[in-house]
Amino acid sequence: GNSVTQMEGPVTLSEEAFLTINCTYTATGYPSLFWYVQYPGEGLQLLLKATKADDKGSNKGFEATYRKETTSFHLEKGSVQVSDSAVYFCALSETDEGGGSNYKLTFGKGTLLTVNP
Amino acid sequence: KAGVTQTPRYLIKTRGQQVTLSCSPISGHRSVSWYQQTPGQGLQFLFEYFSETQRNKGNFPGRFSGRQFSNSRSEMNVSTLELGDSALYLCASSLTGKAYNEQFFGPGTRLTVL
Repeated sequence: GNSVTQMEGPVTLSEEAFLTINCTYTATGYPSLFWYVQYPGEGLQLLLKATKADDKGSNKGFEATYRKETTSFHLEKGSVQVSDSAVYFCALSETDEGGGSNYKLTFGKGTLLTVNP
Repeated sequence: KAGVTQTPRYLIKTRGQQVTLSCSPISGHRSVSWYQQTPGQGLQFLFEYFSETQRNKGNFPGRFSGRQFSNSRSEMNVSTLELGDSALYLCASSLTGKAYNEQFFGPGTRLTVL
């Protein structure tokens, strides 16, 4: 079956530091890949996504590239802010080439990021 | 546009009881999915509904059930509650449930079983 493995952390950084959160996956077919963020007391928000190999998703300074050869989708940000403190989830949704499968997300365990001023 | 709403936000029950949680999707969204979030197991898919039909189901016992109404609102029910059912239950809606449509999550219902 499908699975997602991400570094569990917690990760603590100083403001303006570089962030990398590793994510690797196992899946059959052609999965779409996602990063979600969960702020305290809130639901999940989609941060970025990539739907095919070599796609780069980006949003709010965060980036991740879909690497099929290494089955990875690592999240990066060049300069983190205190407001980036949250839990980050890597996820996949298996889909065929036409996007025909149903939307079932498989999540990693989540990585708690704390950014100190 | 209003987001996904879930009621109630917090719930305390005792073992053996049953509970019903409600989710109102974003207007126009026809797909509703449910997830259970616990510290030990993380986020796990429960089921997905589209146009009142369950299309996809996760690996949970039959005590967990759900339904969707004609207005796309969805409920999930857990019968004979166990301590291990304590969790944050998240609902997500999307236009069609296809992978290229973004899923929007509600704030969740925090269920505590005593």
